[in-house]
Amino acid sequence: GQQVMQIPQYQHVQEGEDFTTYCNSSTTLSNIQWYKQRPGGHPVFLIQLVKSGEVKKQKRLTFQFGEAKKNSSLHITATQTTDVGTYFCAGQDNQGGKLIFGQGTELSVKP
Amino acid sequence: NAGVTQTPKFQVLKTGQSMTLQCAQDMNHEYMSWYRQDPGMGLRLIHYSVGAGITDQGEVPNGYNVSRSTTEDFPLRLLSAAPSQTSVYFCASSGRGDTQYFGPGTRLTVL
Repeated sequence: GQQVMQIPQYQHVQEGEDFTTYCNSSTTLSNIQWYKQRPGGHPVFLIQLVKSGEVKKQKRLTFQFGEAKKNSSLHITATQTTDVGTYFCAGQDNQGGKLIFGQGTELSVKP
Repeated sequence: NAGVTQTPKFQVLKTGQSMTLQCAQDMNHEYMSWYRQDPGMGLRLIHYSVGAGITDQGEVPNGYNVSRSTTEDFPLRLLSAAPSQTSVYFCASSGRGDTQYFGPGTRLTVL
């Protein structure tokens, strides 16, 4: 079945450093979504990528969707302590039904 | 507009007991899903539904039942609780191919 792998599992950075998490799917996706979960909270939607090769930016966050629609990345420039949390990618298959999540990358930022 | 609501917030069960986790949404979403979250495992899909009367299995369906008699409600039933089902359970809803809105979660402990 469809699998979504995400690396790294943990990332510890100094405030101001950059951060990247990578996501790979075993199958071609119709879209990929990114979520952020703060400690003790629930996942909150960040963005959805639909087109092959798509790049979207939200302030210091840059999201990319691969040309083959099987991989994606999230890059944060100059991390801040407010970026702390776990970032999940989630891939939706071509049937538009179930959403399969990666294992998440837990980001900690040292001030 | 309450979004996605889940009850209870916390529950402790003994091995072999059964219970139902409640989930409701007031956004008229077609899609509803149940996930469990365990440390290092990310969010794993248990069951999902693409509309009233339609349900399907996710990645880890064993030990759980669901039904979708109305658009608003999607209860998750644990038939005979086991310690391996200790987890945080999230319900989510979405429109077709759209972002998922998560409930606040139910923290379940099985002794």
